[in-house]
Amino acid sequence: DAGVIQSPRHEVTEMGQEVTLRCKPISGHNSLFWYRQTMMRGLELLIYFNNNVPIDDSGMPEDRFSAKMPNASFSTLKIQPSEPRDSAVYFCASSPNRISYEQYFGPGTRLTVT
Amino acid sequence: SQKIEQNSEALNIQEGKTATLTCNYTNYSPAYLQWYRQDPGRGPVFLLLIRENEKEKRKERLKVTFDTTLKQSLFHITASQPADSATYLCALAPTGNNRKLIWGLGTSLAVNP
Repeated sequence: DAGVIQSPRHEVTEMGQEVTLRCKPISGHNSLFWYRQTMMRGLELLIYFNNNVPIDDSGMPEDRFSAKMPNASFSTLKIQPSEPRDSAVYFCASSPNRISYEQYFGPGTRLTVT
Repeated sequence: SQKIEQNSEALNIQEGKTATLTCNYTNYSPAYLQWYRQDPGRGPVFLLLIRENEKEKRKERLKVTFDTTLKQSLFHITASQPADSATYLCALAPTGNNRKLIWGLGTSLAVNP
C-alpha cells in the first residue's frame, strides 16, 4: 500500500501566484480531508469530502482557496492568488469508512509564499 | 469558547519510565477522541481511538483513558524508549459531526537513553 500521496513536497512561490496542491488518497477510502498546519494554530481542517462530495468547507479561509475531488483517486487544493500568510504545511488525509474513523495522512506539502 | 489543550511544555523522561500526556477540552461533547504521533517533517500517524462510553483503551505499550466528567484524556506510554520521542496530538470529534476532528497543538516527548 503506497499510502496517501501528495505533490509537490515543497513549493516556493511569489505572492500573487496560483498554487495547486495534489493528493491521491488510499484506494478504497471514501473520505478525504485537507488540513493546514502551522506552529501557532496547529492542524486546521480546511475541507473534507465524502464519496467525492464536499461535506464541510467551513474551514476554508476565504475565496482564494478552492478544492475539488473529480474522482475517488484524486483531489486538488488551489490557492489563487497566494499570500505570504498562506505559508504552512498542507496535509491531505483519507479515511476508510464510517465505522473506522482513523485518518491516514500524506507526507504534506510545505508551502512558502514570498 | 471551545478549546482543546495539551501540555505546551515538552516532556522529558528517562528510558524505561512511563510517559503520561494530557489532553483537556472545554465546551465540547465529544463522540470520540483520537491520539496521533507526529515525527518532524511527516504527517500524523493514528495510534488509538477511544469512544465517549469507553473508560480505557490499550494497544501494546500504549494506554488511553477518557474521563468525560473531567473532560480529559490521558495518554500513557509504558516502558518508554528513545524511539517513542515525537510529538503526540490529540483530536476530538464533536457529537453530531463525527468526521470533523478538532486538534490540540500537541505535546513534544523526548525519551532520554
